[in-house]
Amino acid sequence: GDSVTQTEGLVTLTEGLPVMLNCTYQTIYSNPFLFWYVHYLNESPRLLLKSSTDNKRTEHQGFHATLHKSSSSFHLQKSSAQLSDSALYYCALSTGGNNKLTFGQGTVLSVIP
Amino acid sequence: EAAVTQSPRNKVTVTGGNVTLSCRQTNSHNYMYWYRQDTGHGLRLIHYSYGAGNLQIGDVPDGYKATRTTQEDFFLLLELASPSQTSLYFCASSDGDNQDTQYFGPGTRLLVL
Repeated sequence: GDSVTQTEGLVTLTEGLPVMLNCTYQTIYSNPFLFWYVHYLNESPRLLLKSSTDNKRTEHQGFHATLHKSSSSFHLQKSSAQLSDSALYYCALSTGGNNKLTFGQGTVLSVIP
Repeated sequence: EAAVTQSPRNKVTVTGGNVTLSCRQTNSHNYMYWYRQDTGHGLRLIHYSYGAGNLQIGDVPDGYKATRTTQEDFFLLLELASPSQTSLYFCASSDGDNQDTQYFGPGTRLLVL
């Protein structure tokens, strides 16, 4: 079945440094949709960005990601971390016609002064 | 923006107890989902539905029942609660295509003693 792997459980960064959260996936489908959801403390998880287009950068709220089907990756990046970016980030995959999301284990991003 | 509400927000029960978690969405979305969130496991799909009277099995269904009574309302039932079901439960809804955003409720924190 489908799977998503986020290798880092916790990433701690100093404010102003670049952010990169890793996401790789496995699926037999050739046209997957990949998503990044963000979950701030005491809020609901919400969509950050999504893509299904190979090798095209998608951006939202200062974050960006590029789907690379050749390496089955959809890493989340930001040029400069802010304290307000501290949250739990989920990479997720949707394939086929079942309208399900398969989530990774999540990565906690902690930005410190 | 989609509105998804959940009740109760917090619940404490004992082992063997009977618990019902409620979810309502007011945006006429076809799909509704129940997830549990646990550290190290991320968001895991319990059950989902594509309309009133429909139920689909998710990835971690054991010990849970669900019922979709109307397009708006989706219930998660724990008939014999166990400590392993202590978790943060999220409900979500979406329109129904693979690329569609899922909108999450505020969550219900369940403690089974």
